[in-house]
Amino acid sequence: DAGVTQSPTHLIKTRGQQVTLRCSPKSGHDTVSWYQQALGQGPQFIFQYYEEEERQRGNFPDRFSGHQFPNYSSELNVNALLLGDSALYLCASSLGGTGGDTEAFFGQGTRLTVV
Amino acid sequence: AQKVTQAQTEISVVEKEDVTLDCVYETRDTTYYLFWYKQPPSGELVFLIRRNSFDEQNEISGRYSWNFQKSTSSFNFTITASQVVDSAVYFCALSEVTRRALTFGSGTRLQVQP
Repeated sequence: DAGVTQSPTHLIKTRGQQVTLRCSPKSGHDTVSWYQQALGQGPQFIFQYYEEEERQRGNFPDRFSGHQFPNYSSELNVNALLLGDSALYLCASSLGGTGGDTEAFFGQGTRLTVV
Repeated sequence: AQKVTQAQTEISVVEKEDVTLDCVYETRDTTYYLFWYKQPPSGELVFLIRRNSFDEQNEISGRYSWNFQKSTSSFNFTITASQVVDSAVYFCALSEVTRRALTFGSGTRLQVQP
């Protein structure tokens, strides 16, 4: 049973560029949440997708956008990259589009470096 | 607004010592969930435990135990007889039933020396 898989594992981009990160949820899960983890800090919630719609969003600018596909996989897009976007981006999958009453499984993350 | 505070930035112990990681939370909801996650160097967050706000019973799982006290808004995590493999960053997190997101603390880095 595959867990949550994210690609790529590492990425280096230049300021102003755009980036797309990908996530495949755990088998049987239909909900994907994205988190940004800056070095030495805890993960910060970006947004959650359920039934191909963004259900909730954290305090992130519109440069951060996402998509969920019919197979429940998801993409995170970041436009006009800033140096401050350098972080580990974590994807979490769960079931039912709910909150904390279900366990979220995390992938190993994508390490994005903006230079 | 919800908030999780982990005041201990880094803890270093010698193998076989007991260690307690502190977590204090703030929320206005009466229904909420508390979590502990472990993050090894690989980066993946590993789920350890979830408690709901109506269940204050302490829990023990092997060498791990959790102490949930609503009166002090704390959810502390104790590792008994620590091992080198316990070295990691540990995060406490909160989820309110009205939100879909986990709010994490800043984490505590635990180093267990052989």
